[in-house]
Amino acid sequence: GQQLNQSPQSMFIQEGEDVSMNCTSSSIFNTWLWYKQEPGEGPVLLIALYKAGELTSNGRLTAQFGITRKDSFLNISASIPSDVGIYFCAGDVTSGTYKYIFGTGTRLKVLA
Amino acid sequence: DAGVIQSPRHEVTEMGQEVTLRCKPISGHNSLFWYRQTMMRGLELLIYFNNNVPIDDSGMPEDRFSAKMPNASFSTLKIQPSEPRDSAVYFCASSFQESDTQYFGPGTRLTVL
Repeated sequence: GQQLNQSPQSMFIQEGEDVSMNCTSSSIFNTWLWYKQEPGEGPVLLIALYKAGELTSNGRLTAQFGITRKDSFLNISASIPSDVGIYFCAGDVTSGTYKYIFGTGTRLKVLA
Repeated sequence: DAGVIQSPRHEVTEMGQEVTLRCKPISGHNSLFWYRQTMMRGLELLIYFNNNVPIDDSGMPEDRFSAKMPNASFSTLKIQPSEPRDSAVYFCASSFQESDTQYFGPGTRLTVL
């Protein structure tokens, strides 16, 4: 079956540093999504990517849809304490229904 | 505006008991999704509805799980009988259409003893 490998599993960084995380798949995806989840809450969509090679920004966040359609990257610039949380990637299951599989998440901690 | 509402937020029950989780989607949204999140398996889609009709239930783990959406503003996920391995956080999400952004509720943390 399709699998999403997300790395790194966790990151401890200093406030102000840039962050990079990525997802790779064994299969081709048509859509990549990036979510953030804070403790006790559900995931919140950050960025959606629909086209190979697409580069999209949302404030300090930038995500790219890999050319091979098997990977995606999320970068956070100048991290701040409120960036703390778990970041998930998700890709669509190309079966004609709107199903997404999620990566295992990257846990980000920002040290002030 | 109110987001997706889930109840209860926490549920502790004993093995063998019936558990019912509830979800109220965002008003006007036509699609509703039930997910389960565990440390081992991450976030998994269990079932989703479009216009109150179940479209894909291939993620439902076994016959002990059932979901209904009797109207556009309410859905339930039932586990009967519950087992310890069902312990997880269950999320409900809704979207305007199937392909649109999904908005997640705060989740129900289920513990089966």
